[in-house]
Order: sequence, then structure tokens, then C-alpha cells
Amino acid sequence: DTGVSQNPRHKITKRGQNVTFRCDPISEHNRLYWYRQTLGQGPEFLTYFQNEAQLEKSRLLSDRFSAERPKGSFSTLEIQRTEQGDSAMYLCATGLAGGGEQFFGPGTRLTVL
Amino acid sequence: RKEVEQDPGPFNVPEGATVAFNCTYSNSASQSFFWYRQDCRKEPKLLMSVYSSGNEDGRFTAQLNRASQYISLLIRDSKLSDSATYLCVVHTGGFKTIFGAGTRLFVKA
Repeated sequence: DTGVSQNPRHKITKRGQNVTFRCDPISEHNRLYWYRQTLGQGPEFLTYFQNEAQLEKSRLLSDRFSAERPKGSFSTLEIQRTEQGDSAMYLCATGLAGGGEQFFGPGTRLTVL
Repeated sequence: RKEVEQDPGPFNVPEGATVAFNCTYSNSASQSFFWYRQDCRKEPKLLMSVYSSGNEDGRFTAQLNRASQYISLLIRDSKLSDSATYLCVVHTGGFKTIFGAGTRLFVKA
């Protein structure tokens, strides 16, 4: 499968724990986005990478959230000291330089107990 | 006011019907526009881009009205398989992408 992959697909954690998610983009896609989606809502923009540079970060993103894309390929999203309100689907999307289309991965569903 | 607003629906239509969705956006500097489709418990997928001159792809027609800051999607001859949530997407001047909350469509036999 040459699509965007995300791991894990599901994560259940206790409040206060740290979690990390991984996104592997389609080869040659230098644009990478992270989104959060809750039931009945559209994906909410979290952050954007162009290659390894993080060029945009949502003001809604608290300092408990951090994302990296160290070599311009895969990316990780870490949430520290998780809260129940962090429970959501976390989606990664990638795209080619200069293109508009974004290809989404299947997402990581986070449940914070 | 939300940056991108859509009627959440649901729209319940019979097979063969024509249905239209609108989406309004608040940032007049928005540069590009798309419609995505999301099936239940699946990731969003691009349905079509929206061009200033309007564009058509089979049964689907998208239009952009910059003066009134809205985009529309028209689906003709609805199929059962068109049942999904349709997400309006706006790219602002930076790198941020804004999704609407989506419009749910149910096509019934």
C-alpha cells in the first residue's frame, strides 16, 4: 500500500500520560499536515510541514502538543499530559509541492480515560 | 463567526434527485477551494477542486462566487453511493487549511 499510513490506529491512555503518533507520507510528498477531528466536525488544522520545516501551527494548539518531521519524511505528533478533551481522531495528510490536493491517512483514534 | 460555514443537514433525497450545497467563507483573501467527501468512519478524500470559472466532473458541478464569498456543489442524478459527508475546504493566504463541519447527504432508494 503506497498511501499515507498512520500508527497506531487506536490508542487508549489515562489522563496525564504522554502519547506519540506517527505518520508516514506518500513518497515524494513534501507537504504534511496534522489535523484533529471530533464527531460531527470537520478536520481542525493543527500544523503544517514543508519538508522538515514546520511553517504553520494553529493558535489553538496548546504547548502540550508538539510535532516533528526531522528528515522531511515521516512525522510524529506528541501530546504531553493528555486530558479527556484530547480524545479525538488525529489525521495526517500529505501532498506534492505546488499541489492543492491532500491525501489523508486512516487516522489514529485517541481515547483518554 | 466560523471561518468556513456549511449547513450540516442532513439532506435526505431520493435516488435521481438533484441536490445543492453551499459553503460560505469569511476570509476574502482565501486563495483556493475544494470539496472533499468523507464516508462514515473513513478519512476525507478529494472530490473536486473549485475554480473561479466553475468546473464540472460528471454529475458534480462546483462554483465559486468570490464577491459573495461562497462556493457551491451541485450533484445531479443522485446515487445511493453518493451518501456521505461533504466537506468544504478553504486555503488561506498562509499554509493553513480550513475545513467546514460538513454537510451530510443521505440518498434513499
